[in-house]
Amino acid sequence: NAGVTQTPKFRILKIGQSMTLQCTQDMNHNYMYWYRQDPGMGLKLIYYSVGAGITDKGEVPNGYNVSRSTTEDFPLRLELAAPSQTSVYFCASSYSGSGNSPLHFGNGTRLTVT
Amino acid sequence: GNSVTQMEGPVTLSEEAFLTINCTYTATGYPSLFWYVQYPGEGLQLLLKATKADDKGSNKGFEATYRKETTSFHLEKGSVQVSDSAVYFCALSDRSSGGSNYKLTFGKGTLLTVNP
Repeated sequence: NAGVTQTPKFRILKIGQSMTLQCTQDMNHNYMYWYRQDPGMGLKLIYYSVGAGITDKGEVPNGYNVSRSTTEDFPLRLELAAPSQTSVYFCASSYSGSGNSPLHFGNGTRLTVT
Repeated sequence: GNSVTQMEGPVTLSEEAFLTINCTYTATGYPSLFWYVQYPGEGLQLLLKATKADDKGSNKGFEATYRKETTSFHLEKGSVQVSDSAVYFCALSDRSSGGSNYKLTFGKGTLLTVNP
């Protein structure tokens, strides 16, 4: 059972470059999320989606874009990479958006922007 | 707004020691409370949860009780093992203000290292 799969695991970008972080899940979850994790800062929500075709901003959306064309996939796009986007990015999914539904996380993408 | 405060780490213990990681929260509604664990090189995974006051969540020897009167959800384990070395995150889930969806708010995480 694959769960939530993220690619790539690591990436180094130069300032101004763009890239897409891929995320796919095989649990047929409607809800999907992108978080960034900075040292000592916990996790911050970037974007989330409640179903195919529907996305919404989280706490820190600036500099990122998302799309949700299928239930399975929720890619995160960085258009003009900046050093402030150096972080570890986690994709997650959940069965529902209720308060009791736990999140299932991927193993993360470590991004460095220099 | 909602917030979660957990004790700063790192925490270093010897095997079989007693563990407590403190977590307190502020929330406008009636949140559900969670502990997530992150092993090295991996994503977070749910450790335990509690959905209402006085509930006790438990898993793998870890326990936490939802205390509404003290707004706390402290994580405890009676005898830690080397394999428990990880980062532990306290989190709450509450309905976002003005919205219909629930929002998960995380603490900053506590690194636990258990030595043999």
